Amino acid sequence: QKEVEQNSGPLSVPEGAIASLNCTYSDRGSQSFFWYRQYSGKSPELIMFIYSNGDKEDGRFTAQLNKASQYVSLLIRVSQPSDSATYLCAVLRDSGAGSYQLTFGKGTKLSVIP
Amino acid sequence: GAVVSQHPSRVICKSGTSVKIECRSLDFQATTMFWYRQFPKKSLMLMATSNEGSKATYEQGVEKDKFLINHASLTLSTLTVTSAHPEDSSFYICSARDRRLAGPHRADTQYFGPGTRLTVL
Repeated sequence: QKEVEQNSGPLSVPEGAIASLNCTYSDRGSQSFFWYRQYSGKSPELIMFIYSNGDKEDGRFTAQLNKASQYVSLLIRVSQPSDSATYLCAVLRDSGAGSYQLTFGKGTKLSVIP
Repeated sequence: GAVVSQHPSRVICKSGTSVKIECRSLDFQATTMFWYRQFPKKSLMLMATSNEGSKATYEQGVEKDKFLINHASLTLSTLTVTSAHPEDSSFYICSARDRRLAGPHRADTQYFGPGTRLTVL
């Protein structure tokens, strides 16, 4: 069973602080990793993807990947109340015949306190 | 970014009826569309992968005779929930992959629709 694990939270951080979201995955062969943000009652929107070990920065967001530890994280700097949402970690897997599918974690609910 | 629409956005139906949900890619062609289901406070679960012009591939545990998927064109896939029951009440979300952008790292080209909330009474 290919799984993606996240702490469901809620994770509460004060406005302006750094929010750190973590994700582990079981399939060592996974190559690509994604972070989505989902507001209540809405569909997911892509924040970042990463496929090389190390850090990848985009504005206030930094994704970190450690394939040896099967661990991927998302840092949100200068957190804002509008960042309050559920963050989904997703792993891309090869389902065969050149087809790729996303497996999602259960998500971490982030609450940024003004 | 590319736009994917779903219709209807919300539907309430009686138990035993069938409900059709449409997923359209508005400004790109999608050879592959995906259908997900999300229960409250749960993650997205992939139900099936829909390829234009061929039969859908269903995930384990998803009844293909209950969840009928048709992908008749490069911009439209439909999901029909047949003989719906209260336990089918959920948030159904489709996504579409832009055929011009292929490759293992290109899930950023998988655009999600806004979702359809189905309530079966």
